[in-house]
Amino acid sequence: AQSVTQPDIHITVSEGASLELRCNYSYGATPYLFWYVQSPGQGLQLLLKYFSGDTLVQGIKGFEAEFKRSQSSFNLRKPSVHWSDAAEYFCAVGARGTGFQKLVFGTGTRLLVSP
Amino acid sequence: GAVVSQHPSWVICKSGTSVKIECRSLDFQATTMFWYRQFPKQSLMLMATSNEGSKATYEQGVEKDKFLINHASLTLSTLTVTSAHPEDSSFYICSAREVTDTQYFGPGTRLTVL
Repeated sequence: AQSVTQPDIHITVSEGASLELRCNYSYGATPYLFWYVQSPGQGLQLLLKYFSGDTLVQGIKGFEAEFKRSQSSFNLRKPSVHWSDAAEYFCAVGARGTGFQKLVFGTGTRLLVSP
Repeated sequence: GAVVSQHPSWVICKSGTSVKIECRSLDFQATTMFWYRQFPKQSLMLMATSNEGSKATYEQGVEKDKFLINHASLTLSTLTVTSAHPEDSSFYICSAREVTDTQYFGPGTRLTVL
């Protein structure tokens, strides 16, 4: 079964600084990979996804993520953080060919943005 | 595109009553919808997978008689929390899978049982 690890529970970044959120997954083949963002009391918004092809994926709000098979990682990056990026970020992995396409989520990383 | 709505966004009920939560895919058809539960400051826990026209598949430890799921159409799934108790208070989120295998999430429903 697949699993996801987000090693950082909290990260604080100064506004305007770059950001990298880590995500490591465990899965026997190439998985579907996702990053979602959740603001307090809200549902999840899809930032980006990787299914196949180019390993550097561009998403919304200036985010990108890179799939590195050798490291089983799918880290999320943003070159310049804005105060509105403060939220909870979840990495998720989905197994291919399962029909139901269940997602397994990491525990999340809370991003705090300091002035 | 790919918008999912949930109704209500929040509900307060008395212990012992039942509460129904609706999940709708507004601009796409979803043969599969999912129901998650999220405790404060925690990740999402998958409760069940709902397929249109068939019985839901529940995750281990989730009481199917407690959490009734109906997926009556390609755009609507409902979760009914029966005989709710305070320990059922939580944030419930649904998602719908569209044709590219991507799940889109609703805004969530905050349930408080008094």
